[in-house]
Amino acid sequence: EAGVTQSPTHLIKTRGQQATLRCSPISGHTSVYWYQQALGLGLQFLLWYDEGEERNRGNFPPRFSGRQFPNYSSELNVNALELEDSALYLCASSLAGYVRYGYTFGSGTRLTVV
Amino acid sequence: GENVEQHPSTLSVQEGDSAVIKCTYSDSASNYFPWYKQELGKRPQLIIDIRSNVGEKKDQRIAVTLNKTAKHFSLHITETQPEDSAVYFCAASRGGSQGNLIFGKGTKLSVKP
Repeated sequence: EAGVTQSPTHLIKTRGQQATLRCSPISGHTSVYWYQQALGLGLQFLLWYDEGEERNRGNFPPRFSGRQFPNYSSELNVNALELEDSALYLCASSLAGYVRYGYTFGSGTRLTVV
Repeated sequence: GENVEQHPSTLSVQEGDSAVIKCTYSDSASNYFPWYKQELGKRPQLIIDIRSNVGEKKDQRIAVTLNKTAKHFSLHITETQPEDSAVYFCAASRGGSQGNLIFGKGTKLSVKP
């Protein structure tokens, strides 16, 4: 069974540009979660999607947005990139938002803003 | 909003000693508390979890305890080995059975041989 896959692995962007990150969940999982892992700040919750709908959002500005497609894959978009957006972005999936079965994380996308 | 505090941020122990990491949470509705281990350059991986109807759970050298009244839970690693060196994250579920996890800031555990 394939795990959670994320692309690209690395992404380098210039301040002010837009970045698009992609995530494919485990087959059968309908929920996708996005987290930002910046140095020393742990795993900060960004967004949760389930069945194509945004279910919850963390304390991030509106320039962080995303969507979930009918095949349950997801895209995270970061507009007007700032230097502090440089971080590892992790995607996780679960079965219909039932977190009691745990998350499975992808390997992440390392975003560097220069 | 919901918050998970984790202590200590760094922990250094000698091989064979025990390590304890503590977390507190703020959401009374939280009912699921997993722990993740993240080795350098790798994804976080679930190592143990506990649900709110259980006070303690063990899996070989790892145990987790939960005190719902005090809203805190702890990870205990006995007979530590160098391969236990990693960053450990605690988390608490937001809301009921469906939702997202809120993570602590992590504890960097170093096990010295």
